[in-house]
Amino acid sequence: KNEVEQSPQNLTAQEGEFITINCSYSVGISALHWLQQHPGGGIVSLFMLSSGKKKHGRLIATINIQEKHSSLHITASHPRDSAVYICAGADLNQFYFGTGTSLTVIP
Amino acid sequence: GAGVSQSPSNKVTEKGKDVELRCDPISGHTALYWYRQSLGQGLEFLIYFQGNSAPDKSGLPSDRFSAERTGGSVSTLTIQRTQQEDSAVYLCASSSQQGAYGYTFGSGTRLTVV
Repeated sequence: KNEVEQSPQNLTAQEGEFITINCSYSVGISALHWLQQHPGGGIVSLFMLSSGKKKHGRLIATINIQEKHSSLHITASHPRDSAVYICAGADLNQFYFGTGTSLTVIP
Repeated sequence: GAGVSQSPSNKVTEKGKDVELRCDPISGHTALYWYRQSLGQGLEFLIYFQGNSAPDKSGLPSDRFSAERTGGSVSTLTIQRTQQEDSAVYLCASSSQQGAYGYTFGSGTRLTVV
């Protein structure tokens, strides 16, 4: 069993839909990252969370430390949001990566 | 520089050849990490450098893989006698301190072994 589990693995949405990607972890971490990987392989760091909620534009990330769960929400989804979204738990120099959620937003 | 720079962005090599991948971290970042992502797989930790300490090499998949970091800055990941299973995107990241904060990824090197 992976230390970090993401769901769903694949997600197809219509443009404008509200999207949620979930991440659960089973290890102790000091922070949780949400990463976005585009088809070319480049990765962008979206959020780093240690508690509560963060918002950036149409993206919202939340974390519940007690339940060891985080969610990434995308409001008013757009085709340019199509990418792989990766959840990563971090503690000291150890990172635990989920296998990613592949999102496709259809116009 | 403003971000973590990796070169080359794409590399195609013949099986059995050696390759060198370069990572130029954010200036002042003491921690540097190498990961790879094979087709259809998640990110896999390879090696971690922190300042002048001995690197954590626990993720290197075989002795064909090695990495060095010169002067606490630029890092080179070397793969000797490449195999087709080495084909992957190799990602570098740097951090301003050991651990989870100020962590920035490079854009990756896509390696294809033919």
